[in-house]
Amino acid sequence: DVKVTQSSRYLVKRTGEKVFLECVQDMDHENMFWYRQDPGLGLRLIYFSYDVKMKEKGDIPEGYSVSREKKERFSLILESASTNQTSMYLCASSSPGTGLYGYTFGSGTRLTVV
Amino acid sequence: QQQVKQSPQSLIVQKGGISIINCAYENTAFDYFPWYQQFPGKGPALLIAIRPDVSEKKEGRFTISFNKSAKQFSLHIMDSQPGDSATYFCAAPNQAGTALIFGKGTTLSVSS
Repeated sequence: DVKVTQSSRYLVKRTGEKVFLECVQDMDHENMFWYRQDPGLGLRLIYFSYDVKMKEKGDIPEGYSVSREKKERFSLILESASTNQTSMYLCASSSPGTGLYGYTFGSGTRLTVV
Repeated sequence: QQQVKQSPQSLIVQKGGISIINCAYENTAFDYFPWYQQFPGKGPALLIAIRPDVSEKKEGRFTISFNKSAKQFSLHIMDSQPGDSATYFCAAPNQAGTALIFGKGTTLSVSS
């Protein structure tokens, strides 16, 4: 089974801090994605990557950046955390073999910014 | 921003009943149209997906109906069980065909 591991289950950070959310997948998937999940808003795409050192903006990239130095690892960076970034963050990966639709998600990181 | 509109927001169904969740999409790249299921404390997991050249796909108690001309598709859960209680998300490819756009989710509760 493909495994997508997010390094922290819960995280509490202060306003203005730089925050790193880490995601690692173990099935050599090319594609990786970061979404945030908020009640009533569903899943919204922040950034995604189709290859090492490659990144593309999703629908809500403001206040975030990403890094993909190795194929298996995709990091989400909050440059200066703000309270409106309090959310559940979900990482996903997929491979061309499963087409665009076959995402495997991690269990999520619940981030609280105080 | 491209949207995927999902309804209803919440649904309560008696055990053994039929649960129906609807989804409407805008212009999109044509790839599979999936439904994801999410239990509390877990990430969403792929439940079932349909190709755009097919009008219906059935897997066990779960069926997707797809209406390409109306840009709509729906999930039917037959003989709903308490274990089906979860949040369901539909999704459609974005216009560039590079990522999935998700609906806002439907919270299903199946009462015993």
